[in-house]
Amino acid sequence: EVQLVESGGGLVQPGTSLRLSCAASGFTFDEHAMHWVRQAPGKGLEWVSSISWNSAGIDYADSVKGRFTVSRDNAKNSLFLQMNSLRPEDTAMYFCARDSLVETTYLDSWGQGTLVTVSS
Amino acid sequence: QSALTQPPSASGSPGQSVTISCTGTSSDVGGYRYVSWFQQHPGKVPKLLIYEINKRPSGVPDRFSGSKSGNTASLTISGLQAEDEADYYCSSYASRNHVLFGGGTKLFVL
Repeated sequence: EVQLVESGGGLVQPGTSLRLSCAASGFTFDEHAMHWVRQAPGKGLEWVSSISWNSAGIDYADSVKGRFTVSRDNAKNSLFLQMNSLRPEDTAMYFCARDSLVETTYLDSWGQGTLVTVSS
Repeated sequence: QSALTQPPSASGSPGQSVTISCTGTSSDVGGYRYVSWFQQHPGKVPKLLIYEINKRPSGVPDRFSGSKSGNTASLTISGLQAEDEADYYCSSYASRNHVLFGGGTKLFVL
C-alpha cells in the first residue's frame, strides 16, 4: 500500500523559513516523479512543485519560484520542500503526492498533508 | 499559467446525472491526455477518480466517467448518490512539467 507521510509544518512568522518532509513507503520511490500541492483554508488545490525521479526535472509554480526549493533523497525514500521568505499567503495544508510515472503526468496518490501557518 | 476553469457549483437529485466541465487551453487540457479528476470530501485528502481523460482507478465505481473535446474536459456522474456530495477538481499536465488544477466545483445532491 502506498503511504506518504508529511511532516514539518507549523506556525511561523512572515519572512522566516520552514522545511517540509515527506516519507514514502509501499512503492519503489525512484520510479516516480513527486509533487507538492497546497490548499489554503477553504480554497482550492494549487500545484506548488514537481521533481522527476532523478531530480533532473524540477519546476515550480510562479507563486513560489525563487523562494521554495524541492529536493528528494531516493536512498531514504524522502521528498523535501525548503520554503524561504514565507508570506501569509503561503498559509495552507501542504500535500505530498506521487506521480504515476518517472516524469510529470498525473498525481495518483496523496499524503494526509501538513499544515503551514504564516502569521505574526 | 492560469487555473483551469470549472463552474463553482453543480447540483442534482439522487439517481440523476450531472456533468462538470473543465476548460483550459491547447497548452494544457487540449494538448495532452493527462487530464484527471479528483473528489474531495470536507477535511479529507483528494481522491483520484479519473486519469488520462477517461480511465478509472481500481475501486472507483463506473458511475464516474470522463471525456474531453478540444480544450474542455468533462466529468459525468450518473446515478447520483448522497455520498457523491463533495468538491471535484480537474487537473491537467501543462508544459514544462507543470500541473494545473481547476478552481473546484462543489456538488450538491438535493
